[in-house]
Amino acid sequence: DGGITQSPKYLFRKEGQNVTLSCEQNLNHDAMYWYRQDPGQGLRLIYYSQIVNDFQKGDIAEGYSVSREKKESFPLTVTSAQKNPTAFYLCASSGGAGGVDTGELFFGEGSRLTVL
Amino acid sequence: QKEVEQNSGPLSVPEGAIASLNCTYSDRGSQSFFWYRQYSGKSPELIMSIYSNGDKEDGRFTAQLNKASQYVSLLIRDSQPSDSATYLCAVNMPSVNFNKFYFGSGTKLNVKP
Repeated sequence: DGGITQSPKYLFRKEGQNVTLSCEQNLNHDAMYWYRQDPGQGLRLIYYSQIVNDFQKGDIAEGYSVSREKKESFPLTVTSAQKNPTAFYLCASSGGAGGVDTGELFFGEGSRLTVL
Repeated sequence: QKEVEQNSGPLSVPEGAIASLNCTYSDRGSQSFFWYRQYSGKSPELIMSIYSNGDKEDGRFTAQLNKASQYVSLLIRDSQPSDSATYLCAVNMPSVNFNKFYFGSGTKLNVKP
């Protein structure tokens, strides 16, 4: 089945460590996104990518980095520079297969990061 | 002013009643509007999309869009306890060749048996 796979689902990090969250999609979508969600709050955009080898900062990119070497993959690294990294991280993609863009955004199951 | 605003709730309705969720947005250029349902600890699930003024019905769900008033709503008829979740309103504010989505903070719905 087509979808977006995020891993790991749960991750614990010590302060000062970098961690990388994986996101893979088989929906043949061009655009991919990373959002952060804090308790009781909406989704805030970290980074987005429209095509391979191109990505743009979102509203809260400081302390994060991404790469887009393949259409299917958009990993997010949470660096030690991110001062408050404990959150629920959501990867998403949009853009219909076969060139028909429905404009809808679809999410993976999320990765919950906790800093110890 | 936030791009997308929702009442955080909680909105409590009895089982079988109609739940009405509302959302306003700031960008008149917005073209696409979405409602997501998010259960506690889970990721958002798309339940409705609406692109033109008026109503769009899908089962027990009806989305309503009024672009002149910059207002989107979601009606849930015959509410069930399983509808208890946080509902996120999302707006697509496209730039050149790209879709950028803004989300409200969500309205928590409690359906009481």
